[in-house]
Amino acid sequence: QQQVKQSPQSLIVQKGGISIINCAYENTAFDYFPWYQQFPGKGPALLIAIRPDVSEKKEGRFTISFNKSAKQFSLHIMDSQPGDSATYFCAASMRSTGANSKLTFGKGITLSVRP
Amino acid sequence: SAVISQKPSRDICQRGTSLTIQCQVDSQVTMMFWYRQQPGQSLTLIATANQGSEATYESGFVIDKFPISRPNLTFSTLTVSNMSPEDSSIYLCSVDRERDGYTFGSGTRLTVV
Repeated sequence: QQQVKQSPQSLIVQKGGISIINCAYENTAFDYFPWYQQFPGKGPALLIAIRPDVSEKKEGRFTISFNKSAKQFSLHIMDSQPGDSATYFCAASMRSTGANSKLTFGKGITLSVRP
Repeated sequence: SAVISQKPSRDICQRGTSLTIQCQVDSQVTMMFWYRQQPGQSLTLIATANQGSEATYESGFVIDKFPISRPNLTFSTLTVSNMSPEDSSIYLCSVDRERDGYTFGSGTRLTVV
């Protein structure tokens, strides 16, 4: 059973455009929702994260939108640049539980930003 | 964010042998997480390592194959035992600090031949 589902599987965007990646989760006990960016040969790097008491969070060109009733959250990358070309993972955890706070990852999507 | 050092960064090993991966964190943390990332795939949690207790393994992973040590609050090791080509993956350690979120090391790229 896949608890965190990402879509689309891949994405191609023109430079300057908006990249939108969606994620749906099943476990309503999840209380922490991060997005990670991974370049080849590197570990995942935390981009931005949100808790369910907030509907939107923005950091620079990256915005998370959160819809608790739909159990969905999305990553928006504004003014996409070729340097944003990477693999993006959404994840979720029951972070406040402490002992059971492991991260569950989506399958990831490959973003390509065309010059 | 937390600074995590993993060693080795990569290795090529013969099947049937074992490799121990080290993870060092720049500050004390309660839990350390070990993940596997197979080529072109997402991250799968192997186990959670708490200092002073046995590691908690996820379904499909067993202690005999992936023994973990956690001797103190800044260090952990993961051993991949009796390796086969199917164990070729990137192995990553991770920690969670309240102010930084979950941080990952740069990973150990393992190839089994």
